[in-house]
Amino acid sequence: EVQLVESGGGLVQPGRSLRLSCAASGFTFDDYAMHWVRQAPGKGLEWVSGISWNSGSIGYADSVKGRFTISRDNAKNSLYLQMNSLRAEDTALYYCAKAPLKWLLRNWFDPWGQGTLVTVSS
Amino acid sequence: EIVMTQSPATLSVSPGERATLSCRASQSVSSNLAWYQQKPGQAPRLLIYGASTRATGIPARFSGSGSGTEFTLTISSLQSEDFAVYYCQQYNNSRTFGQGTKLEIK
Repeated sequence: EVQLVESGGGLVQPGRSLRLSCAASGFTFDDYAMHWVRQAPGKGLEWVSGISWNSGSIGYADSVKGRFTISRDNAKNSLYLQMNSLRAEDTALYYCAKAPLKWLLRNWFDPWGQGTLVTVSS
Repeated sequence: EIVMTQSPATLSVSPGERATLSCRASQSVSSNLAWYQQKPGQAPRLLIYGASTRATGIPARFSGSGSGTEFTLTISSLQSEDFAVYYCQQYNNSRTFGQGTKLEIK
């Protein structure tokens, strides 16, 4: 069974940093691209970032470009999101999601983890 | 950025009846469209990809149609567990989601 388990969320002050992790199991991790998708409280879904199987292709939403960095460690079956210069509008539940392919092109998301909550507030 | 617009925002339907949800793209996304279901407190679940292909384990009462800019998710004979929020997502050019349609019990 494919499992994605996020961790690393919490309460952080504006301008500070946080690093999210996603532990994957039940599939060959380095055969697939991976993504982060977020959902602000009571709001819809927003794609944040994606990374190809070999980290050779990476993409970011404009809202996080220059502040967030996605990475993966295939040896540890793990996905990461380094979030710097956090803002109140980054407050959301952050989901890790698996892509159907190795590359970022033509990616939908299946499955999703249960999410980790990031709250940016002073 | 491709903008996805879902309608209606809220749909009230009785159990056993059919529900039709719409999703419109601001430019053509070909058939590169997915649908997700999200229940309160849960992560989204993939229902449909490629505009009309059901994901593994999704019941046949869920069907998707459309291409280009107009898409429809149809749920025939609604079951109690189908009342949830539904999102469409295009993956033709980067990835963007619609704002969601809440399907509620009438």
